[in-house]
Amino acid sequence: QVQLVQSGAEVKKPGASVKVSCKASGYTFIGYYLYWVRQAPGQGLEWMGWIDPNSNGTNYAQKFQGRVTMTRDTSISTAYMDLSRLRRDDTAVYYCVRDLTGAFDLWGQGTMVTVSS
Amino acid sequence: SYELTQPPSVSVSPGQTARITCSGDALPKKYAYWYQQKSGQAPVLVIYEDTRRPSGIPERFSGSSSGTLATLTISGAQVEDEADYYCFSPDSTTIGVFGGGTKLTVL
Repeated sequence: QVQLVQSGAEVKKPGASVKVSCKASGYTFIGYYLYWVRQAPGQGLEWMGWIDPNSNGTNYAQKFQGRVTMTRDTSISTAYMDLSRLRRDDTAVYYCVRDLTGAFDLWGQGTMVTVSS
Repeated sequence: SYELTQPPSVSVSPGQTARITCSGDALPKKYAYWYQQKSGQAPVLVIYEDTRRPSGIPERFSGSSSGTLATLTISGAQVEDEADYYCFSPDSTTIGVFGGGTKLTVL
């Protein structure tokens, strides 16, 4: 079955870091870019950046540069998104998404990250 | 910074045609993509490359683009089409942006 399965919900304090995982199955992991998109409660979708699992190349939205790191482990077909120096407004659902030549055709189930003291 | 502008809400009666627009300066040169998000669920791709419909998406969903305006049309909207709809377009080969989303009400 073609799917992306993400790690479970997290609760973090302001200033901490969070690492969300995204395990791909049912397709060739290195064949597609993976994007990360987040959605704050009641808000719209926000593009964070992408990783090319084949080359390990990355590109981050300017808003997150310096705080986000996207990595992957090809041996277990898993991508990771690490967000540091968390703020309360980082509270959101974080999605990993497969890119099919510009179209996001496969979404993970989402990971809720809550930042609260 | 690049922006895509959508109306906050659109409302139609069942069976009517719903049109959701997305305005952006790069749209004459870049494709538009459309996503449907029902409450509590992950988004689903409904239109890609301006006009193409993925397999499994009902034929009542169609897309068009002219100049700086892309449009998602739902012909004969159904109650189950009630959702938030987001357009997306790359700003360049490496950067992308979503529109603010449109809440479609069918009642």
